[in-house]
Amino acid sequence: DSGVTQTPKHLITATGQRVTLRCSPRSGDLSVYWYQQSLDQGLQFLIQYYNGEERAKGNILERFSAQQFPDLHSELNLSSLELGDSALYFCASNHPRGTPDTDTQYFGPGTRLTVL
Amino acid sequence: DAKTTQPPSMDCAEGRAANLPCNHSTISGNEYVYWYRQIHSQGPQYIIHGLKNNETNEMASLIITEDRKSSTLILPHATLRDTAVYYCIVRVRGNNDMRFGAGTRLTVKP
Repeated sequence: DSGVTQTPKHLITATGQRVTLRCSPRSGDLSVYWYQQSLDQGLQFLIQYYNGEERAKGNILERFSAQQFPDLHSELNLSSLELGDSALYFCASNHPRGTPDTDTQYFGPGTRLTVL
Repeated sequence: DAKTTQPPSMDCAEGRAANLPCNHSTISGNEYVYWYRQIHSQGPQYIIHGLKNNETNEMASLIITEDRKSSTLILPHATLRDTAVYYCIVRVRGNNDMRFGAGTRLTVKP
């Protein structure tokens, strides 16, 4: 158990809809990362937040957005969903507050999104 | 971040050591080697990382060649539960994203 939690575990929705995925980082971790894993593209970095602010962007579509709240949990919002958005979405965390950090990212169990 | 090359698949007998190679010939001096694994569709699990010295923890050992152009992850006594895709990632610490390639699918057989 990495200490990172994600909800929901599974999500089934229709094209054109909007969904929100939630991630709680390990206790005290300041950074949250979002990744997408689809069958044909492997694990792809989407976006990073550090202590509430966006730190880095990867291959994130304009239809997708994220935020990190004062309690450090994060949400990934996916809108105008398409069939190709069906994938596993993982979040990871690191940068523990006040302790030495190895910069290792710890991953959650993921949310499986199916768009029908 | 440097590119890595791993064999697409490997088999290992249960109880034997599993040696997973990774080539990273373009690695630069400040890049670390990280290993993760992914069991079925679970979240990637951190295994070990190193810069230039060999490293060992409760899960595995990491052997990095002297020129740092390749490394080997060793699972000393593989079990059926070690069947997974193993990813070798080379990155500068502090870089935001982990660049996962296709990895090596390790199958541990009874």
